[in-house]
Order: sequence, then C-alpha cells, then structure tokens
Amino acid sequence: NAGVTQTPKFQVLKTGQSMTLQCAQDMNHEYMSWYRQDPGMGLRLIHYSVGAGITDQGEVPNGYNVSRSTTEDFPLRLLSAAPSQTSVYFCASKMSWPSSQAQHFGDGTRLSIL
Amino acid sequence: KNEVEQSPQNLTAQEGEFITINCSYSVGISALHWLQQHPGGGIVSLFMLSSGKKKHGRLIATINIQEKHSSLHITASHPRDSAVYICAVWGADGLTFGKGTHLIIQP
Repeated sequence: NAGVTQTPKFQVLKTGQSMTLQCAQDMNHEYMSWYRQDPGMGLRLIHYSVGAGITDQGEVPNGYNVSRSTTEDFPLRLLSAAPSQTSVYFCASKMSWPSSQAQHFGDGTRLSIL
Repeated sequence: KNEVEQSPQNLTAQEGEFITINCSYSVGISALHWLQQHPGGGIVSLFMLSSGKKKHGRLIATINIQEKHSSLHITASHPRDSAVYICAVWGADGLTFGKGTHLIIQP
C-alpha cells in the first residue's frame, strides 16, 4: 500500500515554463488536496477535490490548475511558472469530506523557479 | 478564517526533558490535527482529536474545546523527536495550519 505518491521530488524550472506535479493515492480516498509550504508560513491550500470530476479553489489558487478525472489522480498544473511559485508542494488525501478524518500526506515536491 | 497560533515557535531541550507545545485557535472546529515534519520534509499524522486526550507511546495530545486550545506533550524526549510539529484545525473552510514549532532535542 503506497499511500500518497508525489512526483517529481525535485524540479527546477525557468520563468514561463509549464509543468505538472503528479499526485496519486491508492486508498480509494474521495478527498484530495494540494498545499504549498513557504518559510515562516503555515501550509496553505491551493486547490482541493471532493471526488472525481469535482474541484474547487483553496486559499491561494492563482497560477495553478487542477483536474480530477479519476479517484486516484489529482495533478497540479503550473501553466506559466513564476518565481513566486518557488515552494514545497504537498498533496494529501483522506477518505471523504466533510468528515474530520486524518489526512495522509505525500513526501512533497520541492520546486524552484529561476 | 480560523487563526491558528502555536507556541513556542522554537524550542531546544535536553534529552529526557518533558516537552509541551501549545496550539490555540480562534473559531470553533470539528477536530484538531497534530502533524510531525522531519528534516527532509515528509509530513506524518500524529493525532486527530475532537475532545479529551489521546496517547501514543511517549506522545500525548489534549484538547479543550471550550478554551479553543490544544497541547502536545512528549515525555522522555529523545534526539529522534527533533522535528517541526504542526497544529492544524478542521473548520467550515477546511484545514487551517499553524506555522509550526521547531523542536530540537540535544543529547
């Protein structure tokens, strides 16, 4: 049972490039979410999904797109990377929303935008 | 939006000491989550609680819903406990995180 798998673990991009951060879970969780973690700040919610075909914006959605075509996968897309998007990104999942069950986190993707 | 405050921000202690990390929040919640993040970055769930007290090994978490306050205690601390401990609360607008407490346990 792999849990939540994020790829890649590290990435360096140039300003203006696009890329997709992958997130997959094998626990049949309905709720998935993306966070970014910046120095001196708590994790902040970018986008979330309560089930396949349903996504919504979190606290800091600008510059990011998501889709949820399957229960397992929840990719995060940067369409035109900016230095302000340099951060560590975490994907997480839990059984369902709005129940207050524990979230399972991926190992993170460390992204640098030059 | 819920405001989550943790204290202290940084804590250095000697091996064997009893450790307390505090978390306060501003708006009523359905549950509170304690997380641990080691150097290298992975985040692990320690506790999810909505009332009372939970214990796992040397870790104890308590919550007082009326006072909007939770504490995480570590007994007989060990250098391997060195990590960032994060409090997060489940409210109407989802999960809101504190900034974390950076704990260093020296041998």
